[in-house]
Amino acid sequence: EVQLVEFGGGLVQPGRSLRLSCAASGFTFDDYAMHWVRQPPGKGLEWVSGISWNSGSIAYADSVKGRFTISRDNAKNSLYLQMNSLRAEDTALYYCAKDGGSAVPSNWFDPWGQGTLVTVSS
Amino acid sequence: QSVLTQPPSASGTPGQRVTISCSGSSSNIGSNTVHWHQQLPGTAPKLLIYSNNQRPSGVPDRFSGSKSGTSASLAISGLQSEDEGDYYCAVWDDSLNGVVFGGGTKLTVL
Repeated sequence: EVQLVEFGGGLVQPGRSLRLSCAASGFTFDDYAMHWVRQPPGKGLEWVSGISWNSGSIAYADSVKGRFTISRDNAKNSLYLQMNSLRAEDTALYYCAKDGGSAVPSNWFDPWGQGTLVTVSS
Repeated sequence: QSVLTQPPSASGTPGQRVTISCSGSSSNIGSNTVHWHQQLPGTAPKLLIYSNNQRPSGVPDRFSGSKSGTSASLAISGLQSEDEGDYYCAVWDDSLNGVVFGGGTKLTVL
């Protein structure tokens, strides 16, 4: 069974940093692109970033470009999101999601993790 | 303001057929495939339809997707109470170089 478990969320002050992790199991991790998607409380979904299987292709939403860095460690079956210069508007539930395609990203997400909550507040 | 436009709400009675629209532009829906995700209350999103009209294994054939030009639609036939939740369309946008989501449609089963 494919499983994605996010952790690392919490309460952080504006301007500070936080690193999220996603532990993957049940599939060949280095065959697939991976993504981070977030959902502010009571609001809709926003794609944050995606990374190809070999980290050769990376993309970010304009709202996080220059502040967030996505990375992966295929040896550890893990995905990461380094978040710097955090703002109140970054407050959200952050989901890790597996890309649906193999080799070539398809940009559909299946499955999703359960999410980890990041709250940016003083 | 989402790049993709969905109606904020939709409703129907059990057994009815409902459709949810998703309107975009030539840089997203017009040139890439559309995917739909279902989010039931208190749960993580789940893939419902991929590549315009493909159902992942385990998704009932009551759910179907279509695309025409710069718009896409999700149809749910034989509506059931357990279908209540939020539905999101998503697609790659060539101009933004990223995935964009619709604002979501809250489906209520009356």
